[in-house]
Amino acid sequence: DTGVSQNPRHKITKRGQNVTFRCDPISEHNRLYWYRQTLGQGPEFLTYFQNEAQLEKSRLLSDRFSAERPKGSFSTLEIQRTEQGDSAMYLCASSLGDRGEYNEQFFGPGTRLTVL
Amino acid sequence: GDSVTQMEGPVTLSEEAFLTINCTYTATGYPSLFWYVQYPGEGLQLLLKATKADDKGSNKGFEATYRKETTSFHLEKGSVQVSDSAVYFCALSQGLTGANSKLTFGKGITLSVRP
Repeated sequence: DTGVSQNPRHKITKRGQNVTFRCDPISEHNRLYWYRQTLGQGPEFLTYFQNEAQLEKSRLLSDRFSAERPKGSFSTLEIQRTEQGDSAMYLCASSLGDRGEYNEQFFGPGTRLTVL
Repeated sequence: GDSVTQMEGPVTLSEEAFLTINCTYTATGYPSLFWYVQYPGEGLQLLLKATKADDKGSNKGFEATYRKETTSFHLEKGSVQVSDSAVYFCALSQGLTGANSKLTFGKGITLSVRP
């Protein structure tokens, strides 16, 4: 399967613990996005990478959140000192880079985080 | 900031019924507009798009026309099937390049089609 993959698919943690999620984009895609989706809402943008550079972060991304994309391949999203409000589905998407035309974002299946 | 408003759901239709799902947006400039679909147990998929005013996006029998005068992008299908049961999201982006390509989504609406 050559789609976007995310691991783990589900994560249950206790409040105050740290968690890390991984996203593996489609191999030739140099753009990578993280979104968060809470129940009954659409996905909300968190952050964006062009290759290894993190070019934009939403105000939703508090300083407890950090994302990396070393070597411009896979990406990790870490949440420190988790809170119950962090419970959500975390979605990763990837696309081709700038070519002056629309580049479709392909979404992974998401990681569902539950903070107890 | 930019926002997308979708009609309240859920929507339940009988097979072969006509479908309209309303979507309006608030944005500066000339955003690109999208409909994404999420089938049960699957990830989000692009259904159709329109990148400028009066463009019509179409795919799998679904259509939506970019109406700048009414800031709308309503999704329609003439005859729905049970396999169309899914959650539908309207979305926009401010550009094709760089960080402007991030998507702003509506809340989504669940469509159930009964045989």
